[in-house]
Amino acid sequence: QSALTQPRSVSGSPGQSVTLSCSGTSSAVGSYIYVSWYQQHPGKAPKLMIYDVDKRPSGVPDRFSGSKSGNTASLTISGLQAEDEADYYCCSYSGTVVFGGGTKLTVL
Amino acid sequence: QVTLRESGPALVKPTQTLTLTCTVSGFSLSTSGMRVNWIRQPPGKALEWLARIDWDDDKFYSISLKTRLTISKDTSKNQVVLTMTNMDPVDTATYYCARVRLDGGAAEFDYWGQGTLVTVSS
Repeated sequence: QSALTQPRSVSGSPGQSVTLSCSGTSSAVGSYIYVSWYQQHPGKAPKLMIYDVDKRPSGVPDRFSGSKSGNTASLTISGLQAEDEADYYCCSYSGTVVFGGGTKLTVL
Repeated sequence: QVTLRESGPALVKPTQTLTLTCTVSGFSLSTSGMRVNWIRQPPGKALEWLARIDWDDDKFYSISLKTRLTISKDTSKNQVVLTMTNMDPVDTATYYCARVRLDGGAAEFDYWGQGTLVTVSS
């Protein structure tokens, strides 16, 4: 049982925008700025997509953006592409590292 | 080029002790601010953080698994080792090592190994 709650699945059509949410307690996500997001394709290691709530590592397309409001962090993917279909995990720190349960993104 | 590579047994029996090694290249474990973690993922399930070791040998463990885990490093060999005692079938998972982004927060992992699947079965 994760301290960070993510919807189990989200879907969108190519070209659309989708937003994945990550809700936590006030001690996780709410007060800690180091929220990160990971993309994981089947059989592959996770890949860092967003760190420090809204920063993108080099090489991550600017279609990916992060934000936070209160106890909820969000990952928005605009201009959805087929290769974006993957599992996405949010992650934060509350005395210990916590991951969300993951959201499966399906590109219709 | 930063790489991490996990190695260890693919199969362990219940009650046995698991030892996994993460061999890193492209950076030094003794560099100030360097932090390496172990994270696991049971088949079809979410990621779970296990442990972290810092450049200054500080160690941190998952509260729920603390009594079973030991993390260590050998800087001369560029290796981080995780041992987990009293293995159970529920510990079947892919085990990853991952580096924390330098100067980043504790939950920001910028480089990951490819993972190693460990099955616990008699």
